[in-house]
Amino acid sequence: DVKVTQSSRYLVKRTGEKVFLECVQDMDHENMFWYRQDPGLGLRLIYFSYDVKMKEKGDIPEGYSVSREKKERFSLILESASTNQTSMYLCASRGPDATKNIQYFGAGTRLSVL
Amino acid sequence: AQKVTQAQTEISVVEKEDVTLDCVYETRDTTYYLFWYKQPPSGELVFLIRRNSFDEQNEISGRYSWNFQKSTSSFNFTITASQVVDSAVYFCALSEVNAGNNRKLIWGLGTSLAVNP
Repeated sequence: DVKVTQSSRYLVKRTGEKVFLECVQDMDHENMFWYRQDPGLGLRLIYFSYDVKMKEKGDIPEGYSVSREKKERFSLILESASTNQTSMYLCASRGPDATKNIQYFGAGTRLSVL
Repeated sequence: AQKVTQAQTEISVVEKEDVTLDCVYETRDTTYYLFWYKQPPSGELVFLIRRNSFDEQNEISGRYSWNFQKSTSSFNFTITASQVVDSAVYFCALSEVNAGNNRKLIWGLGTSLAVNP
């Protein structure tokens, strides 16, 4: 089974802090994704990466950056956290056959920015 | 533009009732995939099914069944004899096929299902 692990389930940070959300997958997947989930807005794609050191902006990249130094790890960075970034963050990875496009998700990180 | 609509925001049923979750999609592609995911209270989205646009056969897996109809652009999900453990948010999603590595999922907003004892 594919396992996608997000380092924290719950995180509380202060406005202006730099925040790192970490995601690790154990299936050697090339593609990884970061989403945020908010009530009434569903899942929105922040960034994705289809290879090491490669990244593409999703639908709402503003205020975020990402890092993919190793294939198994995809980090989401909030350079200066703001209260409107309080949300549930979900990481996903996708297997080698991009045609099938099945994404496997971690358990999520619920971030509160005070 | 591609779009997925789940018109039912919340559904509440009593255990053992059958329940259908609706999903309507829009796409100009002739080849695409449709998906259903389940998000229980624990938070992790769990993949349930993928359907390609060339296969309109209905699918049944235990108490779950899926009805794909291209004529109405719908991919509905039915849970038969619902159980409390089915309580979750269910997401429908659409994937274009011809976008290479940039292939993304287009998500519906989800339907929150509450199954009460």
